[in-house]
Amino acid sequence: GAVVSQHPSRVICKSGTSVKIECRSLDFQATTMFWYRQFPKQSLMLMATSNEGSKATYEQGVEKDKFLINHASLTLSTLTVTSAHPEDSSFYICSATPTGPAYYEQYFGPGTRLTVT
Amino acid sequence: LAKTTQPISMDSYEGQEVNITCSHNNIATNDYITWYQQFPSQGPRFIIQGYKTKVTNEVASLFIPADRKSSTLSLPRVSLSDTAVYYCLVGDRKAGGTSYGKLTFGQGTILTVHP
Repeated sequence: GAVVSQHPSRVICKSGTSVKIECRSLDFQATTMFWYRQFPKQSLMLMATSNEGSKATYEQGVEKDKFLINHASLTLSTLTVTSAHPEDSSFYICSATPTGPAYYEQYFGPGTRLTVT
Repeated sequence: LAKTTQPISMDSYEGQEVNITCSHNNIATNDYITWYQQFPSQGPRFIIQGYKTKVTNEVASLFIPADRKSSTLSLPRVSLSDTAVYYCLVGDRKAGGTSYGKLTFGQGTILTVHP
């Protein structure tokens, strides 16, 4: 099946710094990718929809200036957490669907554990 | 997007069949029902998707009654490795070649399989 990777898998940063998380579709192209955040023992919350070549669409309550999303190619989307604070510590997960009428399943990355100290 | 309701947790034993029911009273005509599995510190994994009646694949079956207001995920002969969170999602599966629409995850069902 299609594979989505994330890098890094785990990152620890100091409060006030920025962190970039990469999401790649390894063997397929994806016009659209999604970014989710998951706090411990909670469900996934959609943060934004990343569209190749255009601006991301953010869900209500998600600060677009804090969570910068760039989808520069059909296989790569990045999420940058700017000026990170301890409350941004979470599990960040991306997903993608292969472009084409036959695909309807979303493939999720393995997630990135962000800890802000 | 239609809201879903699932049991918060379920317990089972190895070798048993597990049925997890999801309620989605406000499901729309275009909506499909999809189930995902998530292990701790991993991304969700697609299990099965259906629109009506019954769908079966190599890992599970999905039963959907005629009114489509609920669905049941059936896992045959579970093992310890099936311990995970199971999410039921309802949404429009876009046709025509565009990407699948955004997903709204509910609370999920924590399934614990005991030896």
